[in-house]
Amino acid sequence: AQKITQTQPGMFVQEKEAVTLDCTYDTSDQSYGLFWYKQPSSGEMIFLIYQGSYDEQNATEGRYSLNFQKARKSANLVISASQLGDSAMYFCAMRDYYGGATNKLIFGTGTLLAVQP
Amino acid sequence: DVKVTQSSRYLVKRTGEKVFLECVQDMDHENMFWYRQDPGLGLRLIYFSYDVKMKEKGDIPEGYSVSREKKERFSLILESASTNQTSMYLCASSTGAGYYGYTFGSGTRLTVV
Repeated sequence: AQKITQTQPGMFVQEKEAVTLDCTYDTSDQSYGLFWYKQPSSGEMIFLIYQGSYDEQNATEGRYSLNFQKARKSANLVISASQLGDSAMYFCAMRDYYGGATNKLIFGTGTLLAVQP
Repeated sequence: DVKVTQSSRYLVKRTGEKVFLECVQDMDHENMFWYRQDPGLGLRLIYFSYDVKMKEKGDIPEGYSVSREKKERFSLILESASTNQTSMYLCASSTGAGYYGYTFGSGTRLTVV
């Protein structure tokens, strides 16, 4: 069965520094997708970045980049130049193919990031 | 802007009550999902639907049922609420392609007393 593991329940980072949030995954599929979501205290889930298993380059979106190491089955999120507004819960997720055009997302347990001034 | 709307932000219900959580999307998405979120457990899939009147169990369906009579609406039903169903419930929808993952609602925080 597919599984996502986030081993860091909580992290601190100083404002303007970079931070890496860890994510490892387990799947027997050759084709899969990996996602990162941000959940502020308000509760909404905000899509940050996506990496396909066949993408040769690491995905980047502004200050977010995904460090994809396929052989190690890791998909770490790197946030550069942290801002106070980055304080939130971060979830790593993987697309689980159900059938036809349907996909489910499997989530990790999340990492709570606190940015300190 | 695309929207997934959950009818209630906060709900307090009594043990044994029948509870309906409503979710509506305006994106004409085929797929809709219900997750519950608990500290330390992340998001766990309860049920999902890939078409009108079609439903599939997720990882934790016990104690829940769902209804999808129209494409835009997906309801989660707690037949007899229990205190262990106190949680944050998140609805989401996605297209068949699924490249961008899901669009989530803002969540319903349910407390069963």
